[in-house]
Amino acid sequence: NAGVTQTPKFRVLKTGQSMTLLCAQDMNHEYMYWYRQDPGMGLRLIHYSVGEGTTAKGEVPDGYNVSRLKKQNFLLGLESAAPSQTSVYFCASSYGVNSNQPQHFGDGTRLSIL
Amino acid sequence: ILNVEQSPQSLHVQEGDSTNFTCSFPSSNFYALHWYRWETAKSPEALFVMTLNGDEKKKGRISATLNTKEGYSYLYIKGSQPEDSATYLCASRDNYGQNFVFGPGTRLSVLP
Repeated sequence: NAGVTQTPKFRVLKTGQSMTLLCAQDMNHEYMYWYRQDPGMGLRLIHYSVGEGTTAKGEVPDGYNVSRLKKQNFLLGLESAAPSQTSVYFCASSYGVNSNQPQHFGDGTRLSIL
Repeated sequence: ILNVEQSPQSLHVQEGDSTNFTCSFPSSNFYALHWYRWETAKSPEALFVMTLNGDEKKKGRISATLNTKEGYSYLYIKGSQPEDSATYLCASRDNYGQNFVFGPGTRLSVLP
């Protein structure tokens, strides 16, 4: 049982380049989340999804887009990367916020924008 | 957006010491609180899910209490070991929000 898998694990981009981060979960979870983690700021929610075909903005959505075409996958896109987007990105999934079950996290993607 | 705070920001203790730290959250319309343990170079792992005022949960040497009326939760570690070194995160949700909001974490270092 792989849980939550993020690819890639590391990436270096130049300002203005685009890329997509992939999150896959095999636990049949309804909810999926993308967070960024910056020093001293904990985990901040970028976008989330409450089910296949749905997405919603979190606390810091600007500069990012997401898609949830399949229940098991949640993609995070950066259309034109900026140095301020240098961060560690974590994907998570859960059964649903009303179930009170905790979130399961991937191992993170370390992204550097030069 | 819900404001979740944790204190202290970091903590150094000697092996064998017991320690505790705090998570504070708005007490109104409380729904649930989660505690996570986050080791360096790994992903956060859930420790406890707490929903009721007065809840006490325990896992080995780690325990947590919840006071929803005053808006805080304590995490206790008895007889700290070097392998307890990690960042401990709490996350809270109220009845109106769709998502849990994470605190900034308490970074614990246990010195051998």
